[in-house]
This record gives sequence, structure tokens and C-alpha cells, in this order.
Amino acid sequence: NAGVTQTPKFQVLKTGQSMTLQCAQDMNHEYMSWYRQDPGMGLRLIHYSVGAGITDQGEVPNGYNVSRSTTEDFPLRLLSAAPSQTSVYFCASSYSMASSNTGELFFGEGSRLTVL
Amino acid sequence: GNSVTQMEGPVTLSEEAFLTINCTYTATGYPSLFWYVQYPGEGLQLLLKATKADDKGSNKGFEATYRKETTSFHLEKGSVQVSDSAVYFCALPGTYKYIFGTGTRLKVLA
Repeated sequence: NAGVTQTPKFQVLKTGQSMTLQCAQDMNHEYMSWYRQDPGMGLRLIHYSVGAGITDQGEVPNGYNVSRSTTEDFPLRLLSAAPSQTSVYFCASSYSMASSNTGELFFGEGSRLTVL
Repeated sequence: GNSVTQMEGPVTLSEEAFLTINCTYTATGYPSLFWYVQYPGEGLQLLLKATKADDKGSNKGFEATYRKETTSFHLEKGSVQVSDSAVYFCALPGTYKYIFGTGTRLKVLA
């Protein structure tokens, strides 16, 4: 089972460049999300989606765009990379967030991004 | 809104020592509670969960009991191994997002 697949695993960008982090899941999950993980900061939610065509902002959305055209895919776009966006990015999905007794969140292996 | 407070690390233990990582929560109702583990260079993976009050989640020798009286979900293991070295996150679902603790880094020495 593939689960949640993220690409690329590593990327180096120059300031001002744009790029897209890809995320795909094969579990037919409604809910998908993007987090960034920085030393001493824990996990911070960037954007999330509760279904195809529906996206919303998390805690730290500035500088990032997302779209959800299919259930399976949830790409994260960096419009104009900045050194402050150097981080490890995780995509995660879950069957549903419709109730408080929701299930497990499944994570990808992460994408390490360095912006010079 | 829902929130979680987790014991700060790092925690350094010798092999076979007893482990406790504290986690307390604030929540509306009685949501499911989770512990996730992140091994070096990997994403987070579910370690254990409890879906209602007084439930005990367990996996790989780790245990945590959902205690509504003390609003706690402390993680315990009776005898840690070097392979348990990782970062541990307490979590609960909020409104269309998961709430994670800041993570506790555990290092186990042989």
C-alpha cells in the first residue's frame, strides 16, 4: 500500500523561485493537509482540504497556495520562495474530520526544502 | 478550542528505564486522543490511540490511558530500548484540523 506519497524528498531553491510540492494519497481520504516542521516549533498547519474543490487556511498560510481538484492529490505551491520557508514539509490525510471522534492522520515521509 | 500541552524534552534515559511523557488536554466533549512517533528522518506515524474516556491505548510496549478526571493522556513504557529513540507527539482533533503538542524528544542510551 502506497499510503501518502510526497515528492520531491529534497529540494534546494534560490530566493524568488517557485515550486510545487506534490502529495497524493490512495486511501480515498476526504481530508488532506500540509504541515511544516521547524526546530523548536513543532508542527504548524499551512493549509487543509475537507474534500475536492474545498480548501482553507491553517496557521501559517502566507506564501503558499493549494488546490484540490481531485480526491487523491493536494499540491502545495510556493509562489516566490524565501529563506524563511526553509523547512521540512509533511502532507497528511485522514478519512474524515466530520466529527470529534475522528480517525488516524496518515503522514507522508516529508519533503526537505532549503531556500538560499 | 481544543488544545494540548505536552512535557518538554529532551528526555535522556538508559536502556530498560521507565518512561513517562506527560500530556494534558483541553477539549469540548470527549474526542479521540492520539500519540504519534517520529523516528529520525521519517514522517509521523500513529503509535496508539484511545477513543473514549477510560480507554487504554497500547502498542509496542507503550501505553496511555484516557483520563477525563485529570484531562490527561500520559505515555508510558516500562522498559525503553535504544530503538525507541524518537520524537513523540500527543494530539487530538480540533475543528477541521489536528492539534499537536510541541513534541518530546527521547534519547535512549545503551
